[in-house]
Amino acid sequence: DQQVKQNSPSLSVQEGRISILNCDYTNSMFDYFLWYKKYPAEGPTFLISISSIKDKNEDGRFTVFLNKSAKHLSLHIVPSQPGDSAVYFCAARDSNYQLIWGAGTKLIIKP
Amino acid sequence: DTAVSQTPKYLVTQMGNDKSIKCEQNLGHDTMYWYKQDSKKFLKIMFSYNNKELIINETVPNRFSPKSPDKAHLNLHINSLELGDSAVYFCASSLGLLEGPTGELFFGEGSRLTVL
Repeated sequence: DQQVKQNSPSLSVQEGRISILNCDYTNSMFDYFLWYKKYPAEGPTFLISISSIKDKNEDGRFTVFLNKSAKHLSLHIVPSQPGDSAVYFCAARDSNYQLIWGAGTKLIIKP
Repeated sequence: DTAVSQTPKYLVTQMGNDKSIKCEQNLGHDTMYWYKQDSKKFLKIMFSYNNKELIINETVPNRFSPKSPDKAHLNLHINSLELGDSAVYFCASSLGLLEGPTGELFFGEGSRLTVL
């Protein structure tokens, strides 16, 4: 039973446009949400996070939005750059302080 | 300097063998983890150690045994390897238990294990 779902295995976006990566979750007790970025043959690296008490967090070109009523979060990247091409993982922290991960979305930025 | 390093990066072995993957972090973190990325690309936690003490031990076969000689090292030993053990194994570390505000993990590059 997947508690964190990233329903789009891949997403292709034109360079300079906005990339929107989505994540849905089922457990209303998750208190923290994180996005990680992973390049091939490397481990995931932390990108941005948001507490469940907030609805938006911004860091440069990256903004994460949280809609608790819909149990949905999204990562916006604007403008998208070629170096943003990677797999993006959504993760949520549960009441045992464990991270529950989505399966990832592969983002391809087209020149 | 690699913050979290794991060796080997690639490992191909026969069913029934015993193998180890080593992990070291030079970040001064207290907590280390082993994750398995399965064929469906999900990252699933296997073990977590805090200051050399086992904290999380998810439902993994007891053929998998972690060992933490000190808080900078967490090695994974696998006995009697099976085909289903083929996966990418990631080591990670965090400043402490994930009770802080960020829950940020630092990952190694991964070790791809192929069991033939």
